[in-house]
Formats: sequence, C-alpha cells, structure tokens
Amino acid sequence: AQKITQTQPGMFVQEKEAVTLDCTYDTSDQSYGLFWYKQPSSGEMIFLIYQGSYDEQNATEGRYSLNFQKARKSANLVISASQLGDSAMYFCAMREGDSNYQLIWGAGTKLIIKP
Amino acid sequence: DTGVSQDPRHKITKRGQNVTFRCDPISEHNRLYWYRQTLGQGPEFLTYFQNEAQLEKSRLLSDRFSAERPKGSFSTLEIQRTEQGDSAMYLCASIPRGLTSGRTDTQYFGPGTRLTVL
Repeated sequence: AQKITQTQPGMFVQEKEAVTLDCTYDTSDQSYGLFWYKQPSSGEMIFLIYQGSYDEQNATEGRYSLNFQKARKSANLVISASQLGDSAMYFCAMREGDSNYQLIWGAGTKLIIKP
Repeated sequence: DTGVSQDPRHKITKRGQNVTFRCDPISEHNRLYWYRQTLGQGPEFLTYFQNEAQLEKSRLLSDRFSAERPKGSFSTLEIQRTEQGDSAMYLCASIPRGLTSGRTDTQYFGPGTRLTVL
C-alpha cells in the first residue's frame, strides 16, 4: 500500500487564486512528521512547511498553510494568492517514528500557474 | 552560500563505467541522506549517515552502489558498472546536529546530480 498518496498528477490554476494540493498518508506510528517540498525545473528540493503529528495547530509559513486532518490522515497544502513562480512540482513526504528520519515521498503534483 | 552542495550537477556516462558523486552538507549538519529520483516520481531513500557511520541502507542500494562519509563531513556515492536503469537524479540532504524533533528534523537538499547512462 502507498504510504503517501497525491491524487492530483497535475493542476492548472489562475494567477492570484488559492490552490489546494492533496496529500493522504498511511502510518501506524503515533509520532510522525509531514513535509511539503517544492521542486522547480532546476531540480532542487525546497522545503516549504512542516506539520508534526502532535501539533495541535495547522502549520503556516507565509503564503503556505497545511490543512492537517489527523483522523482522515490528510495533510493538504494550501497556497494562497498564487504567483507565476509557484509553478513547479510539489511533493508531500512523511517521516515515520523517531529513528533515522528518512522521508517517504508521494509521486508529486505538477502545478502550473496561468497568467 | 552555505547550503548543501553536490558535484557534478550532470554526468553522462556509458553503460559499464563507474561514476562517483560528491555531497557536501551544511557544515553543522551531522546526518546525511542519499535519495534517488527517477523521472515523474518522488525521491526514494538510498542510505543514511550519522557522522561517519552508515546506519541504514535501502534494498534499492545494490552491491554496485557504495556510499562513504569518511570524516563525517562530505559524502561520496559510487556506482560501479553503471546500467541504463541507474539513470536518475541523485539527491543529497542533511539535518542539523543535536536532538531532532519536530521541525528540527527538516531535511535540506542539494541541487542534485543528474546521471544519464547511455
């Protein structure tokens, strides 16, 4: 079974609109972390936002927020007021437990912002 | 620039040749990770170092692959007898020293090395 599922292979969004990228996860651990990364065409993975399993509040980082619904095991990324520079691949990743901190990744969503 | 660096950025090689990639993590980071990313997929974990000790290796890391981190600073990933299936982006990431919990275990990535095996 997939540990991280991103159901949207690609999305087109009009500039300045908000966009939600979906991510669901599967784990039996009580302690875990959820991450979102952005990967532009240049290839570098850029950290966007983090949500811990015990965090009671949804994480926010500037225009990025994470809609964390623990019971549903979902961790959707919301980008407000999208910009042309937001066009990229977006990956959801999970760190299970407290051991070696390796990340398990989804397949990604390609986001294209239209002017 | 004090981010994670990787060298080379691109490597084209013929099948059967050996290649070596280098990763220089952020200086105060003691944990280092290698991932492989094929086109259209998310990264897959290859191996992990804490200081100079290689603590975990994925089953993806066949015996043709070897990774080292001799002094707990930079790391190298060598692929022997390359195959066309090895063509991928190889990503390196690091995490700061010390207790890791919550956001402090965020992995910071280098620009990657794109390998093409002809």
